[in-house]
Amino acid sequence: NAGVMQNPRHLVRRRGQEARLRCSPVKGHSHVYWYRQLPEEGLKFMVYLQKENIIDESGMPKERFSAEFPKEGPSILRIQQVVRGDSAAYFCASSRRTGVSSYNEQFFGPGTRLTVL
Amino acid sequence: GQQLNQSPQSMFIQEGEDVSMNCTSSSIFNTWLWYKQDPGEGPVLLIALYKAGELTSNGRLTAQFGITRKDSFLNISASIPSDVGIYFCAGPISNTGNQFYFGTGTSLTVIP
Repeated sequence: NAGVMQNPRHLVRRRGQEARLRCSPVKGHSHVYWYRQLPEEGLKFMVYLQKENIIDESGMPKERFSAEFPKEGPSILRIQQVVRGDSAAYFCASSRRTGVSSYNEQFFGPGTRLTVL
Repeated sequence: GQQLNQSPQSMFIQEGEDVSMNCTSSSIFNTWLWYKQDPGEGPVLLIALYKAGELTSNGRLTAQFGITRKDSFLNISASIPSDVGIYFCAGPISNTGNQFYFGTGTSLTVIP
């Protein structure tokens, strides 16, 4: 059973470039969540997607950030024109169904560490 | 957003000692979760609590959901070196999804 896969694990970009982070959820999971973690801090929710739909993007910056979860393929978090403040670890999580219960455990991927030079 | 405050911020203990950490919130949560994060990895769920007053164990770990629904604690008994990591509490942002607020974290170091 493959868990949540994220790639790349490490990504280095120069200011102004684009960063694309990919997340493949656990097989059979149709709910994907993206979180950002700054050094020495907890995770901050960014966006929640189901297949082809954004359900909640309340935690995502309005500019430069976008996310998608197409019918086929991984979920993508895209950061355009990166700035130094975007340097962080970005984690993806998936769950089978929605709603917090013992049946809907959320599994996290290993994260992508983005460094902006 | 909500602030989940964890204490202590860091702990240094001898192997074999028991550990206790807690998490408080200014708002009520209907669910509390405890995660452990190893360096360079994503969080792994340790214990989930779904009812006020609930006490749940998972091996050497025990967690309780506070009666006021504004706090929770996590105990680790007889610590071992592999318990090293950062422990986060989390509570749901809404009742309909699995988006969570995460606490500030407690960093645990176990000295062999």
